[in-house]
Amino acid sequence: ETGVTQTPRHLVMGMTNKKSLKCEQHLGHNAMYWYKQSAKKPLELMFVYNFKEQTENNSVPSRFSPECPNSSHLFLHLHTLQPEDSALYLCASSQGASGTDTQYFGPGTRLTVL
Amino acid sequence: GEDVEQSLFLSVREGDSSVINCTYTDSSSTYLYWYKQEPGAGLQLLTYIFSNMDMKQDQRLTVLLNKKDKHLSLRIADTQTGDSAIYFCAEKGSGGATNKLIFGTGTLLAVQP
Repeated sequence: ETGVTQTPRHLVMGMTNKKSLKCEQHLGHNAMYWYKQSAKKPLELMFVYNFKEQTENNSVPSRFSPECPNSSHLFLHLHTLQPEDSALYLCASSQGASGTDTQYFGPGTRLTVL
Repeated sequence: GEDVEQSLFLSVREGDSSVINCTYTDSSSTYLYWYKQEPGAGLQLLTYIFSNMDMKQDQRLTVLLNKKDKHLSLRIADTQTGDSAIYFCAEKGSGGATNKLIFGTGTLLAVQP
């Protein structure tokens, strides 16, 4: 148990659906991250938030929309996804957003787009 | 660009040592990390090393860094079946203040009893 929780753990959705992934951290951290883990590809950083402000958008398509209402919660809103978006989506948090700050990961949401 | 490479698979017998290798391209990397991912779980930080070090030991884990060759390795002594997992090497990307990690594809370690 790392102190980072993600819900749901599994999600199956059609291409026309709208769904949201939720991440919550109980570590008092100020930075939160979304990563995408696809089969046989390196983990890809999607978004970084530091003190609720987005500091990194790694050229992510607009069908993925992040939201960070406070430092403890991070959402990823999904709409009109494609089958190639099927992956494990991992959330992480760290005390700050500098290189010395260790990132702690949640268990991930396994997303399948039909 | 920044790139991190690892071999995909390693098989060892229980009790032997495991050595997982990683190469990276960004010579300005300041921190290099090893993460472990068990089935159905997120990534767990195992250890990290500053780029001005060449070795770090933590119980059964030994990290070796050859900065000249941009080569990082993780040695697990007395490997146990519970060490079976995917191991990811990561570097902190250069440029900007954001804590951006560049990950390798991961090495699947299979420990045979």
